[in-house]
Amino acid sequence: EVQLVESGGGLVQPGGSLRLSCAASGFTFSSYSMNWVRQAPGKGLEWVSYISSSGGTIYYADSVKGRFTISRDNAKNSLYLQMNSLRDEDTAVYYCARVRSSSWYHDSWGQGTLVTVSS
Amino acid sequence: QSVLTQPPSVSGAPGQRVSISCTGSSSNIGAGYDVHWYQHLPGTAPKLLIYGNSNRPSGVPDRFSGSKSGTSASLAITGLQAEDEADYYCQSYDSSLSGSVFGGGTKLTVL
Repeated sequence: EVQLVESGGGLVQPGGSLRLSCAASGFTFSSYSMNWVRQAPGKGLEWVSYISSSGGTIYYADSVKGRFTISRDNAKNSLYLQMNSLRDEDTAVYYCARVRSSSWYHDSWGQGTLVTVSS
Repeated sequence: QSVLTQPPSVSGAPGQRVSISCTGSSSNIGAGYDVHWYQHLPGTAPKLLIYGNSNRPSGVPDRFSGSKSGTSASLAITGLQAEDEADYYCQSYDSSLSGSVFGGGTKLTVL
């Protein structure tokens, strides 16, 4: 069974940093691209960042470009999101999701981890 | 504002049929990229409902169907059930953004 478990969320002050992790199991992690997707309170889903299976191709949404860094460790079956210079508007539940690159859909999602940016 | 446009809400009585539209542009749906649909209940992981415009993953009832034409797509749900009450999102790929794009979400209320 495919499992994705996010961790690392919490309360952080504006301008602060946080590192999210996503532990994958039940599939060959190194064969799949991954995304981070977030949902702010009362808002819809928003794509945040993409990383290819090897880590060689990375994309970011304009809203986080230059502040967030996506990475992965295929030996540890783990995906990461380093978030710096956090803003109030980054408050959201952050999901990691497995991507089917052939058609860019997300076939498995984690339960999410809540990031709250507030003073 | 979301790149893909969905109605904020739809509703229907049990047993009825509802449809949710998703409108994009020439850099996403209109460029030929597939449309996918997700069901999301608060506090849970989003669930893939339709992929590749009209394909259902195993375990998704055939009451759910998807279609795509031009720069738009739609999700149809027949034989509405109380358990279908949730938020529904369409998603595609956008070549100008080099990433996934989502609709703003549609809240389905079963009357």
